[in-house]
Parts: sequence; C-alpha cells; structure tokens
Amino acid sequence: EAGVAQSPRYKIIEKRQSVAFWCNPISGHATLYWYQQILGQGPKLLIQFQNNGVVDDSQLPKDRFSAERLKGVDSTLKIQPAKLEDSAVYLCASSGTGTPNTGELFFGEGSRLTVL
Amino acid sequence: DAKTTQPPSMDCAEGRAANLPCNHSTISGNEYVYWYRQIHSQGPQYIIHGLKNNETNEMASLIITEDRKSSTLILPHATLRDTAVYYCIVRASGGSYIPTFGRGTSLIVHP
Repeated sequence: EAGVAQSPRYKIIEKRQSVAFWCNPISGHATLYWYQQILGQGPKLLIQFQNNGVVDDSQLPKDRFSAERLKGVDSTLKIQPAKLEDSAVYLCASSGTGTPNTGELFFGEGSRLTVL
Repeated sequence: DAKTTQPPSMDCAEGRAANLPCNHSTISGNEYVYWYRQIHSQGPQYIIHGLKNNETNEMASLIITEDRKSSTLILPHATLRDTAVYYCIVRASGGSYIPTFGRGTSLIVHP
C-alpha cells in the first residue's frame, strides 16, 4: 500500500514570497490533515478535511494560509505572503473510515520550509 | 479531546526496557489512548492504541491504569533505532475529532 505522498520535500524562499505544498493521501482515506511542526515542538493542526469539506481550520492563519482539497483526494496548502515564522515542517496525514478502523493517522515525510 | 502530560526527555540503555509514562487525568469514557513516535526528519508513525485493556503488538506494549488516568508505553528491548520523540494523545472514537499533539517525550537509547 502506498503511503502519504508530499512534495516538495524542501523549499527555501524569501519572506513575502509564496509557496505551495502538495499532498496525496492514502487511497480511499476520507480524512486529510495538515500540520505545522516548528523545530522542537509537536505537530500543530492547521486544517482538517473530511472528503472535500473542512472539519476544522480554527488554527489556520487565514490571512496568509489557504488550503483546498478538490474532489476529496489531493490537497494543496498555500502560504502567501510567507513570514520568517512560517519556517517549519508541514506534515500531511490521512486516516480512513472503513472497518476495521483503528483511527490511526498515516503521515507523509513532510515538506521542510525555510523562509529567509 | 483530553490533554496529556509527558516528561520532556528520558534515556534508556540499549537492550533494556523503555517505559514511557503519560498522564491523561481528564480522559473521558469513550476516549482512546494513542501512541506515535517521530524519528528525526520523518513524519510521526503510529505505534499502538487502547481503551481500557492492556495491548501488545510487534512494536510495543501499552499499559493503561484501571482508572484510565495514566498509561505507559513499553518498548521491551530498546534499540538505538528507537531513539525518537514519543507522543501520547487521546481521542474519542468515531465521529469528528481533532488529533492534538503535545511536545512528547524525547527518548534517547544509548549503547
């Protein structure tokens, strides 16, 4: 079974530039999550999708961050304009709803963003 | 979802058992305890989960106290490759929930 795919793995940009990250979840997984992980901290949930609808985006800085999940499969997370404090690893995860459902999250390897 | 408390760091000798504690004193009756670990430069990886009973799989054992207010993840024979950050989270079964990670416990396994 293929895992969660993310790209790019690394991205370096200057502040005020824009960047986009892509995530392809495990086939059939209805729920998709984007987490931000700053160095030395645990992952912080930015947005959670159920199919192509948003379940929670309360911690997404909506003035600069946006995310979409077209057709309930792939998802894109965009930052525009980027700030220095956006330097972090952006993790995508997915989970299934079938039976048996262990409820576990499957994570991708993450996209590391450095803002200069 | 209930919050969890974990020690920031622990260390263990290779070949010995690593016992990682987690407090979740506000856990609700329908909330499971999940453990994940994150090896450097990788995404978190699921280890094990449980509700009331102790659980064991090929990676670890999970011991949950009778009052469910705390749990312990046991790596029976730690190896250098078990060096990672271990996260304990609690979440309700079914429906919509928000998996929330704390800072976890940084486990260092030394030779």
